[in-house]
Amino acid sequence: GAVVSQHPSWVICKSGTSVKIECRSLDFQATTMFWYRQFPKQSLMLMATSNEGSKATYEQGVEKDKFLINHASLTLSTLTVTSAHPEDSSFYICSEIGGGGTEAFFGQGTRLTVV
Amino acid sequence: QKEVEQNSGPLSVPEGAIASLNCTYSDRGSQSFFWYRQYSGKSPELIMFIYSNGDKEDGRFTAQLNKASQYVSLLIRDSQPSDSATYLCAVNQFYFGTGTSLTVIP
Repeated sequence: GAVVSQHPSWVICKSGTSVKIECRSLDFQATTMFWYRQFPKQSLMLMATSNEGSKATYEQGVEKDKFLINHASLTLSTLTVTSAHPEDSSFYICSEIGGGGTEAFFGQGTRLTVV
Repeated sequence: QKEVEQNSGPLSVPEGAIASLNCTYSDRGSQSFFWYRQYSGKSPELIMFIYSNGDKEDGRFTAQLNKASQYVSLLIRDSQPSDSATYLCAVNQFYFGTGTSLTVIP
């Protein structure tokens, strides 16, 4: 199956600063990657679909100016949380769909804590 | 987002018993259904997927789908303590339920 590398695995930042999370596809050229957010004891919520070479598609209610997504190459998608606030503290996970078009392969996730 | 509902649990079963996890979904046009296992602080990992009505078995796991009732379930036979985790139901790959916490008691 596909291997997705996500880092950092955890980050603590001050309120008002920006944080970049990277998601790399190590063995598969992913034209599309997906970003999720998961609050404690809640489900994964799809935030946006990252498309290589074009603008990301955001789910309803997700602020595109706050969560900047860049997918400049077939193997790298980044999520930048701009002007982070404590309510942005969450577990952020990226994924790609494998070559068979069925299974989603997830990165290791990033635990963001904004203090 | 599409609604996917799961009983949050916790569900406790003794070792060796059958654990039954349930999921309902709101979008009648949904085509694909997935069960993931997620350990605390980790990313989900796929257990199995099902597309057609009926049962699909993979080792100790059986997924059951009833599109008419908009219901999908996962049965875990001979439950092991290592099966203790949160089980997430996902519909059309992208829409997840809140998960059911399962504890298998040795």
